[in-house]
Amino acid sequence: DAKTTQPPSMDCAEGRAANLPCNHSTISGNEYVYWYRQIHSQGPQYIIHGLKNNETNEMASLIITEDRKSSTLILPHATLRDTAVYYCIAVQGAQKLVFGQGTRLTINP
Amino acid sequence: DAGITQSPRHKVTETGTPVTLRCHQTENHRYMYWYRQDPGHGLRLIHYSYGVKDTDKGEVSDGYSVSRSKTEDFLLTLESATSSQTSVYFCAISWGPPLAVDNEQFFGPGTRLTVL
Repeated sequence: DAKTTQPPSMDCAEGRAANLPCNHSTISGNEYVYWYRQIHSQGPQYIIHGLKNNETNEMASLIITEDRKSSTLILPHATLRDTAVYYCIAVQGAQKLVFGQGTRLTINP
Repeated sequence: DAGITQSPRHKVTETGTPVTLRCHQTENHRYMYWYRQDPGHGLRLIHYSYGVKDTDKGEVSDGYSVSRSKTEDFLLTLESATSSQTSVYFCAISWGPPLAVDNEQFFGPGTRLTVL
């Protein structure tokens, strides 16, 4: 599976869009990019995933660059409840996810 | 949470004792996983199951065994607990493998295990 690189921490003001970057420069053509988040002491929660095209659901948007070497998770209107650790994961058909250290996102009032 | 429970939620035990953690799902998902989470290491896969009686090792399987005798239950056993196995353990389920569409993993609430 491709290694992903994320900033260790980020801050965002409540009500603003939170943009979380992820580098996956060694990603191969059939590897999906998944995003999960973990709110303190809880189990991780699935957010979104994509292969080539940009994706949007009720929680977030995922923007994948044309060369697929990086992606950005966008939380359009961040709330205090979005404070969590966000994990970007590249998956290649293996029946497992490999979690890295993630980005600790803090939403400030 | 998507119909996943873990028991016990907290356990303190002594080195050398056997410990079994249970994951129970009501979603009829085929795949089940056990992870451990430690500071500085993120989540690491211990074992997973892709069907009843079908299991395989993850990246940190030493010292752990699993069993899945029915779809809804996935047991994680520490045959002889050690202090290095003090951790938070998460169970997860998915309909299919991560590569397939709409096969995200749903996680349980976790079990905090302390081995003295």
